[in-house]
Amino acid sequence: AQSVAQPEDQVNVAEGNPLTVKCTYSVSGNPYLFWYVQYPNRGLQFLLKYITGDNLVKGSYGFEAEFNKSQTSFHLKKPSALVSDSALYFCAVPLSGGYNKLIFGAGTRLAVHP
Amino acid sequence: NAGVTQTPKFQVLKTGQSMTLQCAQDMNHEYMSWYRQDPGMGLRLIHYSVGAGITDQGEVPNGYNVSRSTTEDFPLRLLSAAPSQTSVYFCASGSVYGYTFGSGTRLTVV
Repeated sequence: AQSVAQPEDQVNVAEGNPLTVKCTYSVSGNPYLFWYVQYPNRGLQFLLKYITGDNLVKGSYGFEAEFNKSQTSFHLKKPSALVSDSALYFCAVPLSGGYNKLIFGAGTRLAVHP
Repeated sequence: NAGVTQTPKFQVLKTGQSMTLQCAQDMNHEYMSWYRQDPGMGLRLIHYSVGAGITDQGEVPNGYNVSRSTTEDFPLRLLSAAPSQTSVYFCASGSVYGYTFGSGTRLTVV
């Protein structure tokens, strides 16, 4: 069965430092992988996706993610964190049988401190 | 503004009551879905639709019904609310290349 795991409930980072939010996946076949962000009291917003091609994917707000097939990981990264990046981040993968049906990880709360 | 509109934003129900959560999109998307969000569990897919007249179950469909009579609307019905259905509900439309989410409905069942 398709699944994603986010091993960290929370990530703390100082403003200006690089950040990484981890995601590992288990899928059959070639993976489609996604990151979404949720700001307080808001719906989710699309950040970036990996479908095929370059392992380093660039997305919104300066975020990028690295697809690593051997480690089955799709970690979200940003070179220099901002306080405004503080939010809940979700990794997602399509449910088997339909690329439109996404299933989400449990989420990682990112806290960026001034 | 184009997007996904959910109503109501907040609702308190008594156990056994019924209600409908509304979802409307004006982007002409064929695909729409409902998720519930619970602390520590991420978002779980309840039901989805790939077009008018076509619906199917997701990961956690029990206790919920849906219908899709038009492309724009995808209501979620709770026929007999239970405390376990206390959650935040999100409607989404689009495709795997990019979903648009509504702002959510916070439902409390007492």
